[in-house]
Amino acid sequence: HSALTQPRSVSGSPGQSVTISCTVTSSEVESRNSVSWYQHHPGKAPKLLIFDINKRPSGVSDRFSGSMSGNTASLTISGLQADDEAEYYCCSYGGRYTWVFGGGAMLTVL
Amino acid sequence: EVQLVESGGSVVRPGGSLRLSCTASGFTFDDYGLTWVRQPPGGGLEWISGTNWDGRRTGYADSVRGRFTVYRDSARNALFLQMNSLRAEDTAVYYCARVYQRFFNYWGQGTLVTVSS
Repeated sequence: HSALTQPRSVSGSPGQSVTISCTVTSSEVESRNSVSWYQHHPGKAPKLLIFDINKRPSGVSDRFSGSMSGNTASLTISGLQADDEAEYYCCSYGGRYTWVFGGGAMLTVL
Repeated sequence: EVQLVESGGSVVRPGGSLRLSCTASGFTFDDYGLTWVRQPPGGGLEWISGTNWDGRRTGYADSVRGRFTVYRDSARNALFLQMNSLRAEDTAVYYCARVYQRFFNYWGQGTLVTVSS
């Protein structure tokens, strides 16, 4: 049972937008404001896309955006490209120097 | 350029031990916390352990607490993960990552640990 619940898969066509949700379901998460998002292509290092719910590191495309409503954080990818096909994970700080990841959502670009 | 390079992964028998290393470069090592995240075959990312900038604060996931120990050596700019009493379910690619505030802004390429008889 993960403290962060994501859909197992999402899909969209090139040029479309998709949104991946991450629902905080446990008190193990100390701060919902600490939600971050990572993109992971198989065999490569994960990449930070969003931190603190909606902040984007320099160098990350503005096609990636984050938001939060209630207990659900969301990652939206606009203008889908073939290279966006990857696994996407939300993550949150759990307190006492611990973190928890969501189960991951596989994005398929049709 | 920030670089994190993991090493030490190998095949080990159940009940055995292994030590992973993560060598850091391109930043002031003592300014940042570091963490270990793993991905089992066919599975998702799992945070397992981390240490703050001076090594005085450490955290562990329930799945590894009591078996794994994280520590750092500033003289060698390195993070370590001592893994004891290894189980088949510890089979995974192990990544180290740099902690900034409450997120991980740089990651290594990972090292594979296989626990099998």
